[in-house]
Amino acid sequence: KNQVEQSPQSLIILEGKNCTLQCNYTVSPFSNLRWYKQDTGRGPVSLTIMTFSENTKSNGRYTATLDADTKQSSLHITASQLSDSASYICVVSAMNYGGSQGNLIFGKGTKLSVKP
Amino acid sequence: KAGVTQTPRYLIKTRGQQVTLSCSPISGHRSVSWYQQTPGQGLQFLFEYFSETQRNKGNFPGRFSGRQFSNSRSEMNVSTLELGDSALYLCASSAVSGVLDKETQYFGPGTRLLVL
Repeated sequence: KNQVEQSPQSLIILEGKNCTLQCNYTVSPFSNLRWYKQDTGRGPVSLTIMTFSENTKSNGRYTATLDADTKQSSLHITASQLSDSASYICVVSAMNYGGSQGNLIFGKGTKLSVKP
Repeated sequence: KAGVTQTPRYLIKTRGQQVTLSCSPISGHRSVSWYQQTPGQGLQFLFEYFSETQRNKGNFPGRFSGRQFSNSRSEMNVSTLELGDSALYLCASSAVSGVLDKETQYFGPGTRLLVL
């Protein structure tokens, strides 16, 4: 069964500290993996998109890694800011076996709170 | 450039009714995807339309349907509403397919549907 598991469920860190969020997936056939940031009451915002051949992708203070062999991804946030407080959602795109259509499998998200 | 807009923003219906939600993508974008977000299940992919054709589909029953017009605007319809359909419905647009292609999706603010 295609699944995306994220950990931890929630995380509290102090402003200026770094943190790493984890995403494990059992999606096959794999097409790409995305990380989204969702502020409370707003739609998600795309942070990174990685395909099978990409190991690392950065977007400012956000760096995502992908290990397609172990089916794991991480999102590292450097020098956290209060505005980083949000839910971070890992999404894996799966192809159907015919290769003609796809589906998006969402993790439940990690709720990050950055405190001053 | 204007972002993705969704109407209405809030909606209250009763069980058994049907509802139609509307999404206007970013100008020039040809793909519109629809998502359901609930506290229990998180975000789930409904379907994607590209150039008036349903290109990708999630695992929702046939009560959930959609269409896309020649100007790329999209509507989503839910028939025979159930209490469990209460959710935030998000749409996202992208220049090309937002599911299998490595393409950034831009989300709208969502329509919050309450079924009584």
